Amino acid sequence: DGGITQSPKYLFRKEGQNVTLSCEQNLNHDAMYWYRQDPGQGLRLIYYSQIVNDFQKGDIAEGYSVSREKKESFPLTVTSAQKNPTAFYLCASSIRGMNSPLHFGNGTRLTVT
Amino acid sequence: KNEVEQSPQNLTAQEGEFITINCSYSVGISALHWLQQHPGGGIVSLFMLSSGKKKHGRLIATINIQEKHSSLHITASHPRDSAVYICAAPPNTGNQFYFGTGTSLTVIP
Repeated sequence: DGGITQSPKYLFRKEGQNVTLSCEQNLNHDAMYWYRQDPGQGLRLIYYSQIVNDFQKGDIAEGYSVSREKKESFPLTVTSAQKNPTAFYLCASSIRGMNSPLHFGNGTRLTVT
Repeated sequence: KNEVEQSPQNLTAQEGEFITINCSYSVGISALHWLQQHPGGGIVSLFMLSSGKKKHGRLIATINIQEKHSSLHITASHPRDSAVYICAAPPNTGNQFYFGTGTSLTVIP
């Protein structure tokens, strides 16, 4: 079955460490997105990519980095520069952008202490 | 100011009740998305609609583009419908969605 796989589901890190969240899709989608979800807030866009080797910052990109070396993969690195990294992170994809349905992964809950 | 507003924030219903969740948006869009997030966090796309009404099982979504308003209805609600429902509006300009903060629905047996 096609879908988006995020791993791991739960991740614990010490403050000051970089951590990379995995996102893989086998839907052959061009567009991929990373969102952050905090209690009581809507999903906030961290980064998005519409094509391989190209990506753009979203509203809250500071302290995060991404790469898009392959169509199916869009890993997110949470760096030590991110002041409040503990959150639920969701990866999504769509065929060709915003006017096609979004497909989401099951998310990664990151806890930094 | 939020570009997308949902109401109510929280909703508790008895099994079998008819449920309505509302979404208003301030940006110009060509389609609106309704999403469902279950406990545990995964999100499923329910509907993408640009006009009129769409139905899938007991779920019905309607939209009025001129009034910038959409509703999600659940008929004969069931405890398995308990989830957070989120509307998402992709503006005609720009490259990102605006999301509502979600409506948390609990259906009691």
